[in-house]
Amino acid sequence: GENVEQHPSTLSVQEGDSAVIKCTYSDSASNYFPWYKQELGKRPQLIIDIRSNVGEKKDQRIAVTLNKTAKHFSLHITETQPEDSAVYFCAAISGSARQLTFGSGTQLTVLP
Amino acid sequence: GAGVSQSPSNKVTEKGKDVELRCDPISGHTALYWYRQSLGQGLEFLIYFQGNSAPDKSGLPSDRFSAERTGGSVSTLTIQRTQQEDSAVYLCASSLTGGAGTEAFFGQGTRLTVV
Repeated sequence: GENVEQHPSTLSVQEGDSAVIKCTYSDSASNYFPWYKQELGKRPQLIIDIRSNVGEKKDQRIAVTLNKTAKHFSLHITETQPEDSAVYFCAAISGSARQLTFGSGTQLTVLP
Repeated sequence: GAGVSQSPSNKVTEKGKDVELRCDPISGHTALYWYRQSLGQGLEFLIYFQGNSAPDKSGLPSDRFSAERTGGSVSTLTIQRTQQEDSAVYLCASSLTGGAGTEAFFGQGTRLTVV
């Protein structure tokens, strides 16, 4: 089955700096890669996603890049704000099974 | 409904008792997932239902865990003879088709505490 690895497990940045979270996946048939944000005590919520036919997608301060050859995708947050502090999970849909497999999460802390 | 609903929100049970956790997915969503999240940890996959297909049970940690989905809608996760290590938040999610590009919406979770 699919295996998704996520790094780093914790990340602290100064307000206004950029943050980058990286994930790799194992199933070359995976074709959809969402990112979820989970604030303390709340449910995970989708913040951005990318399909395998696209290399990059941007939504305001958030962008995701995908390298299919390397089976690697990353989340980029620019001009970080304290409200960006949360746990971020990457995920991949394994092509045939359509099962959503998550990475282990990154605790992002934006220091004011 | 407006979103994925789980009940109960919190459950405290004695070790050795059985518990049932319920998930009401968004109406019309054919895919339903159960995950377990221990304190400060990631999302551990438990089971996946897709339409009328046989469920993917590969994530269930032991035979004490089972789940069913009746009529392609409501799902129940049952844990028999609960152990303290079962204490966690159990999250349910549903998506329209389960395939690429379909957002998975999470419920608020059931916090299970085994004492």
